[in-house]
Amino acid sequence: ILNVEQSPQSLHVQEGDSTNFTCSFPSSNFYALHWYRWETAKSPEALFVMTLNGDEKKKGRISATLNTKEGYSYLYIKGSQPEDSATYLCALSRDDKIIFGKGTRLHILP
Amino acid sequence: DADVTQTPRNRITKTGKRIMLECSQTKGHDRMYWYRQDPGLGLRLIYYSFDVKDINKGEISDGYSVSRQAQAKFSLSLESAIPNQTALYFCATSDVGAEQPQHFGDGTRLSIL
Repeated sequence: ILNVEQSPQSLHVQEGDSTNFTCSFPSSNFYALHWYRWETAKSPEALFVMTLNGDEKKKGRISATLNTKEGYSYLYIKGSQPEDSATYLCALSRDDKIIFGKGTRLHILP
Repeated sequence: DADVTQTPRNRITKTGKRIMLECSQTKGHDRMYWYRQDPGLGLRLIYYSFDVKDINKGEISDGYSVSRQAQAKFSLSLESAIPNQTALYFCATSDVGAEQPQHFGDGTRLSIL
């Protein structure tokens, strides 16, 4: 069974501070882990996909890691900016199935 | 122009009515998906299709049906709408392979009175 949990559900971060949040999964019976960024009134957009234990991906100030042995992925944001305010979704996929977490809602405080 | 287009963008209708939501894509992807989003519940998969006329149930298919008559189009129907189907509906497409990201439309906000 594919299952994915994200924490925290919501997070307030001061502008300029760095932050991170977690996607956890009890079983590694998936092929890929995806992170999406979802801004209010828009649609989710893909950030990263990772498939191997130890994978690390980086795009500007945002990076992600995958640890399939311990069952988690972290998303890091360095030096938060107002435009980082969004919901960040984690999803696990196999060829026949995909399941999304409920997301972490990030609010950047000025 | 958007690669994944959903119509209508907003719809208000009454209980018992038949509703069809349309999705069309210009990305040339074989795979298409319908999700609904409810506050606090994230995105839940309703149906998905890996090819023309291929239909697969997702997590919450009861009360819904879909049609995939062409690669570029995937429609979602509510045969007899009920108020708890009020939600934001997203269509998505992807290329073949679990590592391929999903590309989402802008969503359809559906309200059932």
